[in-house]
Amino acid sequence: KNEVEQSPQNLTAQEGEFITINCSYSVGISALHWLQQHPGGGIVSLFMLSSGKKKHGRLIATINIQEKHSSLHITASHPRDSAVYICAVRSNRDDKIIFGKGTRLHILP
Amino acid sequence: VTQTPKFQVLKTGQSMTLQCAQDMNHEYMSWYRQDPGLGLRLIYFSYDVKMKEKGDIPEGYSVSREKKERFSLILESASTNQTSMYLCASINSGQGLNQPQHFGDGTRLSIL
Repeated sequence: KNEVEQSPQNLTAQEGEFITINCSYSVGISALHWLQQHPGGGIVSLFMLSSGKKKHGRLIATINIQEKHSSLHITASHPRDSAVYICAVRSNRDDKIIFGKGTRLHILP
Repeated sequence: VTQTPKFQVLKTGQSMTLQCAQDMNHEYMSWYRQDPGLGLRLIYFSYDVKMKEKGDIPEGYSVSREKKERFSLILESASTNQTSMYLCASINSGQGLNQPQHFGDGTRLSIL
């Protein structure tokens, strides 16, 4: 079983829909990152969380440390949000970063 | 974070150095490879000049950190299973390791 699991693996939605991508992890962590990778492009760090909630524009990230779960929400989704979203955690045991396999999001106009 | 080259094609057995440079005075730098269905996997990381630590898949690779701003990934004898997208990242670990990672745009490497 992977230490970081994301769901769904693939998601297609209509423009304007509210999007939720989930991340569950099984190790103790000191931080959780949400990353965005556009097709053929580099990776951008969206959020770094250790507790609570963060908001940036139409993106919201939440984390529940007790439940070992984080969600990334996109409000009023737009075709330019189409990308792979990756959850990554930093293990508090050895400081290594463990990545989820990503969620491929496709927003239709 | 700047990676060079962006694309490279090698023959099996050739050697290659992938370069990564950052101008943010970050102490922590790392190399990953990204493969379809496997996600990102950590190859090596470095906390400081001259220091290096093995990640999850260091076999077949070595690294060099002679200067703080540069972290090189070396393939001594390329093999076809090293065909991948390679990503470099850095963190300002001077403020604690829980900082956002800054990624380069990647080097796409093909081994024939």
